[in-house]
Amino acid sequence: DAGVIQSPRHEVTEMGQEVTLRCKPISGHNSLFWYRQTMMRGLELLIYFNNNVPIDDSGMPEDRFSAKMPNASFSTLKIQPSEPRDSAVYFCASSLARAGREAGELFFGEGSRLTVL
Amino acid sequence: TQLLEQSPQFLSIQEGENLTVYCNSSSVFSSLQWYRQEPGEGPVLLVTVVTGGEVKKLKRLTFQFGDARKDSSLHITAAQPGDTGLYLCAGVPYGNNRLAFGKGNQVVVIP
Repeated sequence: DAGVIQSPRHEVTEMGQEVTLRCKPISGHNSLFWYRQTMMRGLELLIYFNNNVPIDDSGMPEDRFSAKMPNASFSTLKIQPSEPRDSAVYFCASSLARAGREAGELFFGEGSRLTVL
Repeated sequence: TQLLEQSPQFLSIQEGENLTVYCNSSSVFSSLQWYRQEPGEGPVLLVTVVTGGEVKKLKRLTFQFGDARKDSSLHITAAQPGDTGLYLCAGVPYGNNRLAFGKGNQVVVIP
């Protein structure tokens, strides 16, 4: 069974360019998360969706970042314009959200390593 | 400020030794998870602890959730090179539905 699929795996771009990262979650999962990982800050939650609806985008750094989930099998994270401080590994994760106090298991993709020159 | 503080940040040990890493917070959590991340890959869930004082074992890995539900530890017995990786703890604090991650414990086991 395919896991979470992210593309591209690596992206090198110049400051000011638009960057689009893509994610295909695991079929049947109803929650999707975008994280950013850096040495300094670790894993930071940027935004998450439940049933394709954005629930919490308070982690999105600024207006240059936007995320969409047009259907249950696809999501994008866009940075426009990109800046060198956006360089990081961006992870997409999906899960089957459940009621109750136990957090569900997150299944992560392999990440998209972004370098902005 | 980091909601979950993990220590030590980096640990290097010889194969066969034991090690313990910690995940601490001033907040109370409904549950805590431990993930392991290897280079170039995403984190993979190892365990979820739910009840205060709970101990879970996964082969040579022992996970404990603090009685007050604010902290957790991971103990590895007779570490193997395959245990090398970044161990991340994650939890959902009460009154919040955001899963927060610590920065991780980087463990290197030298053959």
